[in-house]
Amino acid sequence: SQELEQSPQSLIVQEGKNLTINCTSSKTLYGLYWYKQKYGEGLIFLMMLQKGGEEKSHEKITAKLDEKKQQSSLHITASQPSHAGIYLCGAAFGGAGKSTFGDGTTLTVKP
Amino acid sequence: DSGVTQTPKHLITATGQRVTLRCSPRSGDLSVYWYQQSLDQGLQFLIHYYNGEERAKGNILERFSAQQFPDLHSELNLSSLELGDSALYFCASSPTGADQPQHFGDGTRLSIL
Repeated sequence: SQELEQSPQSLIVQEGKNLTINCTSSKTLYGLYWYKQKYGEGLIFLMMLQKGGEEKSHEKITAKLDEKKQQSSLHITASQPSHAGIYLCGAAFGGAGKSTFGDGTTLTVKP
Repeated sequence: DSGVTQTPKHLITATGQRVTLRCSPRSGDLSVYWYQQSLDQGLQFLIHYYNGEERAKGNILERFSAQQFPDLHSELNLSSLELGDSALYFCASSPTGADQPQHFGDGTRLSIL
């Protein structure tokens, strides 16, 4: 998606290491969602961020929406093999229910 | 389990054929979304229905159509199928609009031979 750009495209980390995935929007974000997908399976909702500066955590995953509301980061602390998968950010632009997703970041965690 | 049910899980058909994909949203959700995911295009939004009415259209081809029925289940119809239509098709649902998290089904894998 050109409206939502994720970086990096892929990431390989050693188990126990921390990592960060970024999602940059070309427009102001009024709601940003993070999802995780295992290859060939459905997307699992992780977190939703709505306010600039908002930060949410779920287990060892923390997501933050920057003050200017055009970038979000997803941080995983002490990564585990269970964290492996594709992480996608998503947003609704235009208000009418049209959803856009980033191209995803593929995370591999080496034991 | 997201609560969103998609059938069938796999579909194999030939070019030129027509198929129907079915989705039952989570109990209580009024909005249904359809997406196409392929290796080269990523996750592409196709269409959004809310309580039976079309709310937003994305990159949906004219050969594709969808509808949401009074019981809130939805169907995506794909016709005159081409090789390039091979993809994973996902349905998602949310309580009302796209400003809420969407919950995804496991998808239908469509293979065109």
